[in-house]
Amino acid sequence: QKEVEQNSGPLSVPEGAIASLNCTYSDRVSQSFFWYRQYSGKSPELIMSIYSNGDKEDGRFTAQLNKASQYVSLLIRDSQPSDSATYLCAVNMGAGGFKTIFGAGTRLFVKA
Amino acid sequence: NAGVTQTPKFRILKIGQSMTLQCTQDMNHNYMYWYRQDPGMGLKLIYYSVGAGITDKGEVPNGYNVSRSTTEDFPLRLELAAPSQTSVYFCASRGGSRAYEQYFGPGTRLTVT
Repeated sequence: QKEVEQNSGPLSVPEGAIASLNCTYSDRVSQSFFWYRQYSGKSPELIMSIYSNGDKEDGRFTAQLNKASQYVSLLIRDSQPSDSATYLCAVNMGAGGFKTIFGAGTRLFVKA
Repeated sequence: NAGVTQTPKFRILKIGQSMTLQCTQDMNHNYMYWYRQDPGMGLKLIYYSVGAGITDKGEVPNGYNVSRSTTEDFPLRLELAAPSQTSVYFCASRGGSRAYEQYFGPGTRLTVT
């Protein structure tokens, strides 16, 4: 089992729709979870972090965490063509959180 | 404050050659990381360090070596380059707490032919 798993997509949504991205992780003692966005040819950039069960909202982005199910998700509301990118789920593994492992990423296309 | 810098930006190596990818951060971060990213894939952790003199293997360490003699620098050494090491290499740093996110350098695009 991979440590961090994502559906690689691609995920295609029309402009204005909600995009839903999912991630599961294997280490149940992990405490810190992140979503990064990566445009083609660029470095990853942080868009959301979440540490507690439940929802965390920031503008059009909502991160959801369920530690019992070892599941993290990212919702993008009112999707825009500029949201078209690869979204990477990252987990600081283990109780100490020293090692950061990324999922394979989900490619999102937002059609105008 | 330059953040995380990497050199070189691009490099072409012949099979069997060696090289060092440089990474420097000026944020006084304890944790530093090296990842590789193959086309269309996510980031794979090669090595990481939690402080000067302390390094540990990640998911794909074979064919690479690292050292961490200072807080600022975390070079990645490729010995006997192979075509399978063709990739984009990202260096990242992070503050000490497990809750901190990573800051990435611009990447080094390496081709081994």
